[in-house]
Amino acid sequence: SQQGEEDPQALSIQEGENATMNCSYKTSINNLQWYRQNSGRGLVHLILIRSNEREKHSGRLRVTLDTSKKSSSLLITASRAADTASYFCATKMMDSSYKLIFGSGTRLLVRP
Amino acid sequence: EAGVAQSPRYKIIEKRQSVAFWCNPISGHATLYWYQQILGQGPKLLIQFQNNGVVDDSQLPKDRFSAERLKGVDSTLKIQPAKLEDSAVYLCATSSVPDTQYFGPGTRLTVL
Repeated sequence: SQQGEEDPQALSIQEGENATMNCSYKTSINNLQWYRQNSGRGLVHLILIRSNEREKHSGRLRVTLDTSKKSSSLLITASRAADTASYFCATKMMDSSYKLIFGSGTRLLVRP
Repeated sequence: EAGVAQSPRYKIIEKRQSVAFWCNPISGHATLYWYQQILGQGPKLLIQFQNNGVVDDSQLPKDRFSAERLKGVDSTLKIQPAKLEDSAVYLCATSSVPDTQYFGPGTRLTVL
């Protein structure tokens, strides 16, 4: 079974607006990562937040993590048509393995 | 730096046939992963190699799927015989550190 559940499953916004997507998970984690997948392509790593961090920024991306609620959110500000893609959260467990468990993803459409 | 290479990009076969996918990792990346991504879902880990040894194959259907990583570099994933439910994108990813995985473009398999 998958660890993460993304919400919403699909999101359609106008270019220039902000996009927020959420991820919930079930068990304690070492870190949580967000990946982007353009249609028909592989995944690209966007940002990583560790379990002892609450917020992280990278360019137009802002990620928050609430370990008490076992949830994370990804905010994309001033969206562009090129941001159209599927976004996945992935959690790394507390053990020493490299294993990531991916959620089901949010499909984002940014309309020009 | 060259990315993760995968071939073929697309493959169409009939059920009960066999198929093989190939992955060439980023140079120096010791850890290699094969994922299965069914349409509309997040990637699911099938097998993880550390150099040429298997670290985790708990979700690999071993009655029909096999994978190897000779000499700790290139890897092949084989399905024999294929079933309709094996239709998916097969993603290869590699990493040199625990936290970030680099994905190839994937092989889209259609089983008729």
